[in-house]
Amino acid sequence: DVKVTQSSRYLVKRTGEKVFLECVQDMDHENMFWYRQDPGLGLRLIYFSYDVKMKEKGDIPEGYSVSREKKERFSLILESASTNQTSMYLCASRPSGLGTQYFGPGTRLTVL
Amino acid sequence: AQSVTQLDSQVPVFEEAPVELRCNYSSSVSVYLFWYVQYPNQGLQLLLKYLSGSTLVKGINGFEAEFNKSQTSFHLRKPSVHISDTAEYFCASFTGNQFYFGTGTSLTVIP
Repeated sequence: DVKVTQSSRYLVKRTGEKVFLECVQDMDHENMFWYRQDPGLGLRLIYFSYDVKMKEKGDIPEGYSVSREKKERFSLILESASTNQTSMYLCASRPSGLGTQYFGPGTRLTVL
Repeated sequence: AQSVTQLDSQVPVFEEAPVELRCNYSSSVSVYLFWYVQYPNQGLQLLLKYLSGSTLVKGINGFEAEFNKSQTSFHLRKPSVHISDTAEYFCASFTGNQFYFGTGTSLTVIP
């Protein structure tokens, strides 16, 4: 079974803090993704990566950055957290080409 | 641009009744379609997918979906729902090496 794990299920941070969300997949997938999920807006793509050290902006990259130093790990960084970044964050991975996208359990981040 | 539209944001249905969750897609090229389910406080799980072949696709938990090219639809159906089917359902398309997700349909099964 494909496993995508996220470092925290729930996280509470203060405005201005630097926040790291970690994602690890164990199926040697080339592609990894970070989404945020908000009521009524569905899933919105923040960043994705097709390979180690590669990153591409998604639909809403502002206020975020990412890091992919190893194939299995994809980190989302909030340089200075703000209250409007309170959301559910979902990581996903997928093999290259046509394939099913697998999701982690999500991290519910609250910024106070 | 590719897009997926889920026509209903919320669908309440009584237990053991049939349900249909609607999804329309827009694409001028070959498209591959997926339905995912998200139970409360969990990530998304694959329910079923259409890649090619038979237009009627069967998935897990008794769900099925029909690909209709002329109507650009991929509606999800279940003949008899259970309380445990209460969840958020997402339709998605895969084109141009990208996934495009709908905004989700919240299915609530009423005892």
